[in-house]
Amino acid sequence: GAVVSQHPSRVICKSGTSVKIECRSLDFQATTMFWYRQFPKQSLMLMATSNEGSKATYEQGVEKDKFLINHASLTLSTLTVTSAHPEDSSFYICSAIVSGGRQETQYFGPGTRLLVL
Amino acid sequence: QKEVEQNSGPLSVPEGAIASLNCTYSDRVSQSFFWYRQYSGKSPELIMSIYSNGDKEDGRFTAQLNKASQYVSLLIRDSQPSDSATYLCAVNRAGNNRKLIWGLGTSLAVNP
Repeated sequence: GAVVSQHPSRVICKSGTSVKIECRSLDFQATTMFWYRQFPKQSLMLMATSNEGSKATYEQGVEKDKFLINHASLTLSTLTVTSAHPEDSSFYICSAIVSGGRQETQYFGPGTRLLVL
Repeated sequence: QKEVEQNSGPLSVPEGAIASLNCTYSDRVSQSFFWYRQYSGKSPELIMSIYSNGDKEDGRFTAQLNKASQYVSLLIRDSQPSDSATYLCAVNRAGNNRKLIWGLGTSLAVNP
């Protein structure tokens, strides 16, 4: 159990276009998902917390108008990178929380590699 | 002082040896502790979670938690080359909007 999928796994786009990345919890419901970004040889950076049915909470320094997050159902969160630029090229990873009593665990999707030309 | 600290490594051990990875955290109210493994170019994969003081074993992996000393460690017995990866320590504390606080990771190399 606790499988998280992401689509697409890899995307190449032209500068100025928008890219949507989907994150799905396949065998559980997730009221909370997280979006991370990771540049080569750097650590994970949390971008935002995605809450089902409400607005996302963005970390300091992350532009909410550039990185649009929608969590419309208990199994799907989407991240849209608007007007992408080469500096947005990165590895985008989502995670979802599995709750078991008082204990919660984050499980990660396989990630989406974005290359903006 | 970082909230979660790990030695960046690289930690190099011979195949079959025990690899010991350490993590310290600064916030005493931290409640949940996790070890994730990340292979190069891949997303993190949960290895162990631990919530109570003491040891927790799962196969070749043992997590150790000492809340008084504010450290959590991961032991890997009979290390294999396939264990070569970056190991990330993550901590969750109450009232933190369910977010994890991440260490920067320790790179482990298991030499055949």
